[in-house]
Amino acid sequence: DAGVIQSPRHEVTEMGQEVTLRCKPISGHDYLFWYRQTMMRGLELLIYFNNNVPIDDSGMPEDRFSAKMPNASFSTLKIQPSEPRDSAVYFCASSKGLRTEAFFGQGTRLTVV
Amino acid sequence: GEDVEQSLFLSVREGDSSVINCTYTDSSSTYLYWYKQEPGAGLQLLTYIFSNMDMKQDQRLTVLLNKKDKHLSLRIADTQTGDSAIYFCAEISNTDKLIFGTGTRLQVFP
Repeated sequence: DAGVIQSPRHEVTEMGQEVTLRCKPISGHDYLFWYRQTMMRGLELLIYFNNNVPIDDSGMPEDRFSAKMPNASFSTLKIQPSEPRDSAVYFCASSKGLRTEAFFGQGTRLTVV
Repeated sequence: GEDVEQSLFLSVREGDSSVINCTYTDSSSTYLYWYKQEPGAGLQLLTYIFSNMDMKQDQRLTVLLNKKDKHLSLRIADTQTGDSAIYFCAEISNTDKLIFGTGTRLQVFP
């Protein structure tokens, strides 16, 4: 397996634009996590899915953020409209279970100008 | 509450031991983890310890757990320049979320 695959690796967009980040988890993993990493706040859990169902989205900062998992091999994190304070590295991770090793993608570095 | 704290920076000389410390708040955590993040990459699991253990050793890595004080440490023996990275401790919270610490940036100089 190629691991968790995220795209794009880098995204630069203007304030107000819609941004969509994509993730392909490792096949056979039942859990998928979206994290955001910034210097100020460290690594924050935004949302996680179990078997494609969102379980806990309490970390999603506001209504501008939404995440979907239409099938076991694909998830998106959308920001609409984007703001400069959304600039961060967004990581997707997947795992077989909640207490098993989480495998991280390379991350998407988002810059909103 | 869910809070995992670490010191932000550690600088060591090559060949010395590094000790990275972490404190956590959730006493119900069953597993505690150490992840490593190299520049421009995602996090990779280094090692973990089950909460009923005091110590775990894995080659150059030694994890110590003090449940009473809710203190976790990672010792890297014979630290190499390739060990330079950010190290995160993490716990599974009572709400079943994997909560990460702030990360400790380890810099190894020759």
